[in-house]
Amino acid sequence: KQEVTQIPAALSVPEGENLVLNCSFTDSAIYNLQWFRQDPGKGLTSLLLIQSSQREQTSGRLNASLDKSSGRSTLYIAASQPGDSATYLCAVRPGNTPLVFGKGTRLSVIA
Amino acid sequence: DAGVIQSPRHEVTEMGQEVTLRCKPISGHDYLFWYRQTMMRGLELLIYFNNNVPIDDSGMPEDRFSAKMPNASFSTLKIQPSEPRDSAVYFCASSLSGDQPQHFGDGTRLSIL
Repeated sequence: KQEVTQIPAALSVPEGENLVLNCSFTDSAIYNLQWFRQDPGKGLTSLLLIQSSQREQTSGRLNASLDKSSGRSTLYIAASQPGDSATYLCAVRPGNTPLVFGKGTRLSVIA
Repeated sequence: DAGVIQSPRHEVTEMGQEVTLRCKPISGHDYLFWYRQTMMRGLELLIYFNNNVPIDDSGMPEDRFSAKMPNASFSTLKIQPSEPRDSAVYFCASSLSGDQPQHFGDGTRLSIL
């Protein structure tokens, strides 16, 4: 059974710092991996989707990498801003089945 | 594009009552997903539909839960009878296809007293 783990569970950084969020999964046979952002009281917003054949995806200040063989993905946020404060969730798609989510990392960027 | 629309946003009811949550997916999306989110268990898939047909309901906790999708623009998740342990945030999401990003509604915060 696929399991997704995100470490740390919470992270607090000063504004302007570059940071990395980690995601690991137990079964490397995945179809794709997604990173989502969740603001308090809101649903999830898809940030980046990496297909299994890709190594990374970039969108603005965000860069997500995927290492299938080691079962790891990272989300890199450059020059963090207070508006980046949210919970970030990683999810993998194990083949032709729905997403399996991690429990998220709660990020606070302090001005 | 209005996004995925869920109603109600908040629901507070007494145990034993029937609860119906509603979802309108994004037009043209073939997949619809129902999730439940709690602090302890995180985000769990309850059931998903493809072209209005239920594909996998293995995440539905028990027979008290049922979901329907009578047409491409509407789905319901029903709990009858409700119990305090059903208290959670319930999300609906839709996607264009199985390998496209899922778009989430803002959820229904359900409290069973």
